[in-house]
Amino acid sequence: GESVGLHLPTLSVQEGDNSIINCAYSNSASDYFIWYKQESGKGPQFIIDIRSNMDKRQGQRVTVLLNKTVKHLSLQIAATQPGDSAVYFCAETAWDFGNEKLTFGTGTRLTIIP
Amino acid sequence: DSGVTQTPKHLITATGQRVTLRCSPRSGDLSVYWYQQSLDQGLQFLIQYYNGEERAKGNILERFSAQQFPDLHSELNLSSLELGDSALYFCASSVVGANTEAFFGQGTRLTVV
Repeated sequence: GESVGLHLPTLSVQEGDNSIINCAYSNSASDYFIWYKQESGKGPQFIIDIRSNMDKRQGQRVTVLLNKTVKHLSLQIAATQPGDSAVYFCAETAWDFGNEKLTFGTGTRLTIIP
Repeated sequence: DSGVTQTPKHLITATGQRVTLRCSPRSGDLSVYWYQQSLDQGLQFLIQYYNGEERAKGNILERFSAQQFPDLHSELNLSSLELGDSALYFCASSVVGANTEAFFGQGTRLTVV
């Protein structure tokens, strides 16, 4: 079945450095991808999204790259700050028997080292 | 604050019991989604409702059921609870469907003892 998986479960980055979180997906029919950030004790929070007709999208300090050829998604966070420490989930949306379904990956725990 | 409200925040109950989790979506959002998150696990999609009707179903057990009411709030009913049902249950809402940004509530932490 479809799955969205992450390459690394944990990532530690020095404050101020850039971080890259990777995600692999298996459903080639997915047409919308989202990155969520989940801080301890809170619900996931939307960071940035990208549609399948794009390969790059930039936000404030964040960039999402989509490589449909290898079914790979990445989230780049520039100049990381202590507040970036959280679990990051990628998610994909695909049509499933006439319904849209949002499927989440396992998550990567990002720790910013002061 | 995402605008999505979940109650209660914490729930402790015994095995075999039944509980109801409640979700109020953001004002104007027609879609409601329920997710289960076990310890150090990802988010497992359970079910989605759109404007009162079931839209999509994920890995939801037969012991679990949900509904969305005319005022668009939703309830997730969990029955014959087992220890393995202990988890965080999140509700999310979006304006239309899954192809748009979804906003999550703070979750209900269910502990089955």
